[in-house]
Amino acid sequence: EAGVAQSPRYKIIEKRQSVAFWCNPISGHATLYWYQQILGQGPKLLIQFQNNGVVDDSQLPKDRFSAERLKGVDSTLKIQPAKLEDSAVYLCASSQEGLATGELFFGEGSRLTVL
Amino acid sequence: LAKTTQPISMDSYEGQEVNITCSHNNIATNDYITWYQQFPSQGPRFIIQGYKTKVTNEVASLFIPADRKSSTLSLPRVSLSDTAVYYCLVGDFNTGGFKTIFGAGTRLFVKA
Repeated sequence: EAGVAQSPRYKIIEKRQSVAFWCNPISGHATLYWYQQILGQGPKLLIQFQNNGVVDDSQLPKDRFSAERLKGVDSTLKIQPAKLEDSAVYLCASSQEGLATGELFFGEGSRLTVL
Repeated sequence: LAKTTQPISMDSYEGQEVNITCSHNNIATNDYITWYQQFPSQGPRFIIQGYKTKVTNEVASLFIPADRKSSTLSLPRVSLSDTAVYYCLVGDFNTGGFKTIFGAGTRLFVKA
């Protein structure tokens, strides 16, 4: 079974530029999460989708971050304009509703460096 | 959501049993306790989950006392490849997915 796919793996941009990350969850997984992980810290939830709808985006900096999950499958996370403090790994995860453990399956992440 | 507290780092030697304890004093009735492992340049990976007493799988055991205010992840006979960050999470899962918060984790260093 294919895992969570993310792209690009690495991205370097200058501050004030924009960037987009893409995530393809495991087939059949209704819930999709975007996390931000700054070096040395645990992942921080940015946004959680259930199918097309947003379940929790309370920690998403909405003035510069946006995310969408069209058709309840793939998702895109965008940052515009980027700041130096946005340098981090952006992790996408998915989970299957009704699964006994509520296990989250993570992708390998997209590492963003803002110069 | 309940906050968790765990040691920042631990050292061990190959072949030893490692126990990492996590404190979650404000755990709610519907909350489960889950542990994840993360290697550098990879996303976290699920290790084990439990609600009460003891849970064991092929890689670890999870011990949860009756009051559920703490839990202990036990890794039997660790190897160098177990060097990683281990996260203790507390949260419930219902419609809408698993709601939880990652803390800073415990960095385990396994030495030869």
